Amino acid sequence: LAKTTQPISMDSYEGQEVNITCSHNNIATNDYITWYQQFPSQGPRFIIQGYKTKVTNEVASLFIPADRKSSTLSLPRFSLSDTAVYYCLVGSNNAGNMLTFGGGTRLMVKP
Amino acid sequence: EAGVAQSPRYKIIEKRQSVAFWCNPISGHATLYWYQQILGQGPKLLIQFQNNGVVDDSQLPKDRFSAERLKGVDSTLKIQPAKLEDSAVYLCASSLDPQGWYEQYFGPGTRLTVT
Repeated sequence: LAKTTQPISMDSYEGQEVNITCSHNNIATNDYITWYQQFPSQGPRFIIQGYKTKVTNEVASLFIPADRKSSTLSLPRFSLSDTAVYYCLVGSNNAGNMLTFGGGTRLMVKP
Repeated sequence: EAGVAQSPRYKIIEKRQSVAFWCNPISGHATLYWYQQILGQGPKLLIQFQNNGVVDDSQLPKDRFSAERLKGVDSTLKIQPAKLEDSAVYLCASSLDPQGWYEQYFGPGTRLTVT
């Protein structure tokens, strides 16, 4: 299972675009990149998933360069309600490849 | 649609006591997961069921933890006896696809405090 590295914490002003980068140097050919969001006292929530290039939905965008060794989750306009922990996961549906969460990135409002 | 239901939401017990948690997944989801989330860490998978069969329980401390999903729908996770280090949030999740790589739906969790 590809290991991921992401910043422990980040902060941003409200209204600004926030980008969280995740490194996954050992990503395998069949692996997808998935991001989850977790608010305090709640379970994680699926945000977005991609394989290559760019994926966009109503919540966020996911940018994946050609070598796929990293990915960037982009929140277009950060608000207080986006304060949460964001987890980057890499893997696939191959048998035995279980979903493994790292420590995540704690995203907070800049005072 | 209704989400993943868990109960109780909070539980406080003394060490060496027993405790059980209940989970009802989203209707039609064949795959069910139990995670343990210690404060400040990401969730750790304890066990995964496909219908009523165990797919992976490699990280389940089997000397004290047990889980079952008898009818392929709801599930219980039990700890007997509890230790101080079992204090954590226990999350249940379900998914349509067998490996959960497309999307897992999580419940609100049960916060366990062992004193």
